[in-house]
Amino acid sequence: DIQMTQSPSSVSASVGDRVTITCRASQGISRWLAWYQQKPGKAPNLLIYAASNLQSGVPSRFSGSGSGTYFTLTITSLQPEDFATYYCQQASNFPFTFGQGTRLEIK
Amino acid sequence: QVHLQQWGAGLLKPSETLSLTCAVFGGSFSDYYWSWIRQPPGKGLEWIGEVNHGGRTTFNPSLKSRVSISVETSKNQVSLNLSSVTAADTAVYYCARAFLTNWFDPWGLGTLVTVSS
Repeated sequence: DIQMTQSPSSVSASVGDRVTITCRASQGISRWLAWYQQKPGKAPNLLIYAASNLQSGVPSRFSGSGSGTYFTLTITSLQPEDFATYYCQQASNFPFTFGQGTRLEIK
Repeated sequence: QVHLQQWGAGLLKPSETLSLTCAVFGGSFSDYYWSWIRQPPGKGLEWIGEVNHGGRTTFNPSLKSRVSISVETSKNQVSLNLSSVTAADTAVYYCARAFLTNWFDPWGLGTLVTVSS
């Protein structure tokens, strides 16, 4: 299985800050990577697919980059509704696997 | 707008079989793969497997010996069965559509399944 490792596991930030979360794959996955946001008690919500494509309806302050084994999710100008847990997911090989999550907390 | 509605038993005893169903409303059913994904309380996400409208399936090897996923095209429904459950199978189970290729969107609301004697 391809292992996905996110860092940091948690991060504290303030409204208006810029935050970057990283995701590393244990082997190359080209650009077969997605990012999801999950709020407590809710299902995950697709933010970014194919490493850098913004899903319809997702605010433009979210952006993704990377290829191969290293990927980033950047949120510029954090809004109160952005405080949540974020997961990366590889879609290159079966079984599809997720990172362990990064919890974004209010400072 | 695609909407996924899921249901099934929420409390099981060890060794019983977990059975969940996901109904798809709106949009095309036959053009996509449909996945099941689970999340133990307070933990991360684990992909269980997928099925297409023709019944073609792929499973996570970690669960392959105990899992089956089926489709009822006439009702736009997919079903998950997981046999011989233990406490380690306690989780919120989600159904999700494979968007474009293997990105999951949308997701069902999730069903909490607890395994306890």
